[in-house]
Amino acid sequence: DAGVIQSPRHEVTEMGQEVTLRCKPISGHDYLFWYRQTMMRGLELLIYFNNNVPIDDSGMPEDRFSAKMPNASFSTLKIQPSEPRDSAVYFCASSLQGPGTEAFFGQGTRLTVV
Amino acid sequence: QKEVEQNSGPLSVPEGAIASLNCTYSDRVSQSFFWYRQYSGKSPELIMSIYSNGDKEDGRFTAQLNKASQYVSLLIRDSQPSDSATYLCAVLFSGGYQKVTFGTGTKLQVIP
Repeated sequence: DAGVIQSPRHEVTEMGQEVTLRCKPISGHDYLFWYRQTMMRGLELLIYFNNNVPIDDSGMPEDRFSAKMPNASFSTLKIQPSEPRDSAVYFCASSLQGPGTEAFFGQGTRLTVV
Repeated sequence: QKEVEQNSGPLSVPEGAIASLNCTYSDRVSQSFFWYRQYSGKSPELIMSIYSNGDKEDGRFTAQLNKASQYVSLLIRDSQPSDSATYLCAVLFSGGYQKVTFGTGTKLQVIP
């Protein structure tokens, strides 16, 4: 398996624009996580899905953020409108059996909002 | 607020020495603890997990857990320059939905 695949790897956008990050989890993994990493706050869980259903979105910073998982092999994280403070590395991860088991991370998307 | 605390470092150790990385957490009922390694510009990868009090060894790595003191550590024996990375402590918190919370990481530098 190729691992967790994220796209794009880098995204530079202007403030106010919509940004969509994409993730393909490892086949057979029932859990998918979206994280955001910054120097100040470290790695923060934004939302996670189990069998395509959102379980906990309490980490989503505000209504500008939304995430979907239309099927077992694809998820998106959307920011609309984007702001400079959203600049961070966004990681998608998947695991076989839930938050208490090993999470396999994608390579991340480095987002810069100018 | 459930928290995981780590010293940000950098922790510098000479090659061949033992590196000791420490982590404290706020919730007494936590059951699962993880150490992830993250190289600069890369994604985190799991290196150790520990679930019960005491030591768990895997090669040059030893994880130590003391639930009474709410403390977990990672020892790296015979440190190598390739161990230079940021080490993230992660704790599975229960109560409501289960959620893994990460510390901000300790940067380790192994000096040749």
